Amino acid sequence: DAKTTQPNSMESNEEEPVHLPCNHSTISGTDYIHWYRQLPSQGPEYVIHGLTSNVNNRMASLAIAEDRKSSTLILHRATLRDAAVYYCILIQQGSSNTGKLIFGQGTTLQVKP
Amino acid sequence: NAGVTQTPKFQVLKTGQSMTLQCAQDMNHNSMYWYRQDPGMGLRLIYYSASEGTTDKGEVPNGYNVSRLNKREFSLRLESAAPSQTSVYFCASRWDLVLTLAQYFGPGTRLTVL
Repeated sequence: DAKTTQPNSMESNEEEPVHLPCNHSTISGTDYIHWYRQLPSQGPEYVIHGLTSNVNNRMASLAIAEDRKSSTLILHRATLRDAAVYYCILIQQGSSNTGKLIFGQGTTLQVKP
Repeated sequence: NAGVTQTPKFQVLKTGQSMTLQCAQDMNHNSMYWYRQDPGMGLRLIYYSASEGTTDKGEVPNGYNVSRLNKREFSLRLESAAPSQTSVYFCASRWDLVLTLAQYFGPGTRLTVL
């Protein structure tokens, strides 16, 4: 199974950009890279996903390295509400793909006012 | 739309007691999932249902059973609760197994087994 590695924690100041890295050196050619986040005492919520090209949506941007061995989630202006655990997840491939999410430890983002 | 709802929000059981965690979604999703999250850890998949009438084991199925009652509802049953099952349980759903689709999670059920 392809595995992801993320820093345990990061800090940011409010209204500054945040770059959350993820390493996935064993990624398969057709694995999608998904990001979810989990606010305190809530269930995870989808943030963004991508395959090869950089992606933008209203929540964040996803920058994917050319060799796909790493990616970076970018929050353009962090707010206090962005304080959460961020998970970088590779969707498993296979003939019996279930689309199940394999969660690692994630990165705990602290945002300072 | 309420999205994914779970009941109860909190539950305390004694060892050996049984209970069923309920999950429902109103998004007409085909796939539904049950995860558990232990303190300081990521979520682990217990069971999933790719479509109505089918269920399959996930990473940590021992001690649990599930029922996909209909397209909307997916329940998780603990037949004889153990302290090791103290955890937060999350239900999730997705429209289909297409890899680009997001999963939507419920608010969780916090279970303590004494």
